[in-house]
Amino acid sequence: QQQVKQSPQSLIVQKGGISIINCAYENTAFDYFPWYQQFPGKGPALLIAIRPDVSEKKEGRFTISFNKSAKQFSLHIMDSQPGDSATYFCAASPTGGGNKLTFGTGTQLKVEL
Amino acid sequence: DGGITQSPKYLFRKEGQNVTLSCEQNLNHDAMYWYRQDPGQGLRLIYYSQIVNDFQKGDIAEGYSVSREKKESFPLTVTSAQKNPTAFYLCASSIRWDRLVHEQYFGPGTRLTVT
Repeated sequence: QQQVKQSPQSLIVQKGGISIINCAYENTAFDYFPWYQQFPGKGPALLIAIRPDVSEKKEGRFTISFNKSAKQFSLHIMDSQPGDSATYFCAASPTGGGNKLTFGTGTQLKVEL
Repeated sequence: DGGITQSPKYLFRKEGQNVTLSCEQNLNHDAMYWYRQDPGQGLRLIYYSQIVNDFQKGDIAEGYSVSREKKESFPLTVTSAQKNPTAFYLCASSIRWDRLVHEQYFGPGTRLTVT
């Protein structure tokens, strides 16, 4: 049972464009939503995270938009650069669940020159 | 230079053999985790440990075993009972396990190939 659905599976964006990755969840107990970035052959690293008390969080070129009623959240990468080419995972953790994260299936982003 | 070390980076085993993957952290973190990553399936939790001498099964624990005898070490054994052991294995840690969610820091991973 996949509790966090991520789309698209892969994405190609031109340099300077906006990359958008979407995730949807079913478990209403989820209250922490991080995004991880993974380069080939490396472990994932936390990129940005949001809690449901806000609808948007921005860190540099990276923004999370959160829609609690729709149970959806998305990652926007503004001014996408070739160095952003990586696999991105959304994740979610429930209230009182400690650090038990449920991950989406990942999106391979390629930013072309 | 703090972080998580996983060794080896690549590991090859014959079917039917048990194999142990190493994970060491010098971050002084209480909680540690093992994930399995397969193409198109994201990361799936195998085992986690909230504190030394304690561990719990994750979502896909069958065919795996762990120990947590030291705070800094959380080795994973892939047994011959694991039906599809070939995968990329990731170890992670977080400062502690409590009501709040804390950032998980990942190691570089071990790619295990079983033939």
